[in-house]
Amino acid sequence: DTEVTQTPKHLVMGMTNKKSLKCEQHMGHRAMYWYKQKAKKPPELMFVYSYEKLSINESVPSRFSPECPNSSLLNLHLHALQPEDSALYLCASSQDPTSEAFFGQGTRLTVV
Amino acid sequence: AQSVTQLGSHVSVSEGALVLLRCNYSSSVPPYLFWYVQYPNQGLQLLLKYTSAATLVKGINGFEAEFKKSETSFHLTKPSAHMSDAAEYFCAVSDRNSGYSTLTFGKGTMLLVSP
Repeated sequence: DTEVTQTPKHLVMGMTNKKSLKCEQHMGHRAMYWYKQKAKKPPELMFVYSYEKLSINESVPSRFSPECPNSSLLNLHLHALQPEDSALYLCASSQDPTSEAFFGQGTRLTVV
Repeated sequence: AQSVTQLGSHVSVSEGALVLLRCNYSSSVPPYLFWYVQYPNQGLQLLLKYTSAATLVKGINGFEAEFKKSETSFHLTKPSAHMSDAAEYFCAVSDRNSGYSTLTFGKGTMLLVSP
């Protein structure tokens, strides 16, 4: 299995909702990442988990809350988002913190 | 800080023609460099990577890239374009100093392939 699986593929949420994005990999990778990609822009790093510990937070607003329950799963909890948070959220994983990253298909989030 | 610059937001070629997508990097240490492809409403797929081994790197789908330190370049080429190559291409650099495979992407180049 060489895939990074993200669910859901699409999500529409109101500004008062709480929702979660999920990411799963079964490649034994020990580093996992969240990236945010706005329309017609490159992806931008949000968080890095290394060996299930949060290692990098790129000054992301607290309305985004990451969680790594185990080495295969990565969640992104969303609360009180703004319309400008609408974007494609990409999860990635790498064998170790210095190896190349493999990306999932992304979750297209729309905040209304 | 490391960065990459992709020249040309759009490149148009005819099917069967040479594909050349340009990427220049800025780094104070030998970089790790990558090319990713993104199809509409999809994630990113790794095409190839340079990690200081061979300077000519071969990737998937017939793509290759050459690392030229003297020119600080890592251009992506394919001898003969196919309609299925139409997509967005991102060059990226990895910050080795951080101890993590965090990627900084260029702005991307949209490859358009006409029949």
